[in-house]
Amino acid sequence: DGGITQSPKYLFRKEGQNVTLSCEQNLNHDAMYWYRQDPGQGLRLIYYSQIVNDFQKGDIAEGYSVSREKKESFPLTVTSAQKNPTAFYLCASSARGLTVAEQYFGPGTRLTVT
Amino acid sequence: AQKVTQAQTEISVVEKEDVTLDCVYETRDTTYYLFWYKQPPSGELVFLIRRNSFDEQNEISGRYSWNFQKSTSSFNFTITASQVVDSAVYFCALSRPWLTGGGNKLTFGTGTQLKVEL
Repeated sequence: DGGITQSPKYLFRKEGQNVTLSCEQNLNHDAMYWYRQDPGQGLRLIYYSQIVNDFQKGDIAEGYSVSREKKESFPLTVTSAQKNPTAFYLCASSARGLTVAEQYFGPGTRLTVT
Repeated sequence: AQKVTQAQTEISVVEKEDVTLDCVYETRDTTYYLFWYKQPPSGELVFLIRRNSFDEQNEISGRYSWNFQKSTSSFNFTITASQVVDSAVYFCALSRPWLTGGGNKLTFGTGTQLKVEL
């Protein structure tokens, strides 16, 4: 089945540690995205990539880093510089065209940093 | 700048009632796209619908219907004869076309929590 996988579902880390969240898609989509969701808030864009080996900062990129070495993979690293890393992280992907394409989301990773 | 407002934080209804979720947006673009997503308790967002700014025709899909009114910058979502399985958080979102440099990025509202009780 085509889709987006994120692992793990729950992740616990100590403050000061970097942590990498996995996102893999087999939809053959060119574009991939990382969003952060906090309780009672909408999703906010962290980083996005429209093509392999290229990515751009979203609205809240500080304290995060990404790479896009393969079309199907877009890992997100939450660094120790991120002041409030505890959140629900969602990865998405979409086709790339002239107008717009709906984004499809993975199941998310809930990160807790103590 | 783009903005999406979902003023209803939480709505509770009894099963079989109709319910409307409001969405108001702001954009300077003449071409834009509006979306609705459903987030069940499992957390994954499920795509429901996409509309472009040139198509104001209302759409119906089973118990779901959408009312797009450019004059009031609104894109409301109605569930007819609600069911317990409709309980979820619903997000409205706005996007610009790729060609404007928007990168297909979504601007989300804060969501409306819908609770359908027996």
